[in-house]
Amino acid sequence: GESVGLHLPTLSVQEGDNSIINCAYSNSASDYFIWYKQESGKGPQFIIDIRSNMDKRQGQRVTVLLNKTVKHLSLQIAATQPGDSAVYFCAPTGGTSYGKLTFGQGTILTVHP
Amino acid sequence: DTGVSQNPRHKITKRGQNVTFRCDPISEHNRLYWYRQTLGQGPEFLTYFQNEAQLEKSRLLSDRFSAERPKGSFSTLEIQRTEQGDSAMYLCASSPPGQGPYEQFFGPGTRLTVL
Repeated sequence: GESVGLHLPTLSVQEGDNSIINCAYSNSASDYFIWYKQESGKGPQFIIDIRSNMDKRQGQRVTVLLNKTVKHLSLQIAATQPGDSAVYFCAPTGGTSYGKLTFGQGTILTVHP
Repeated sequence: DTGVSQNPRHKITKRGQNVTFRCDPISEHNRLYWYRQTLGQGPEFLTYFQNEAQLEKSRLLSDRFSAERPKGSFSTLEIQRTEQGDSAMYLCASSPPGQGPYEQFFGPGTRLTVL
């Protein structure tokens, strides 16, 4: 079945540093990928998405890189701020069901002032 | 504020009782999803509606769980004969119509505690 894993379950950085959060997925049929941020006690919040016909997409302070060959994607956060502290999930979808997002365990990002 | 609302935000119940949660999606969204999240884990897919049709159900959705979306707007998730293992955050999400896929917008969740 689908499995989604993260290389680093926790990441601790200083304010102003750049952060990189990695995600591996197993379903080669996945063709749409979403990164979510979840703060304590809240629902996941959309950050950025990328479709499989792209290998890079940039947003405000965030960049997502997709490597379909090795089924890996990463989220880069520039100039990390204390407000970025949260759990980050990647969620692939596609193939037989666009309705179902498969979340990994998540990476806890802690930003120290 | 994503625009998806869920009620109640918290529910404490005794084992064996029935509970019902409500989700109001963003008004123009025709797709609605339910997920369950336990501590330290990512959300797990439960079920998915397009308009009033329930298109997919997870194996996690046992016979004690039922979800409805009778008019294609709000949805309810009912758990009968609750068990302690049902304690979790229940999240609802919605996404807009059209050719998929689209991002799913999540609500704040309903935290269920079964004593």
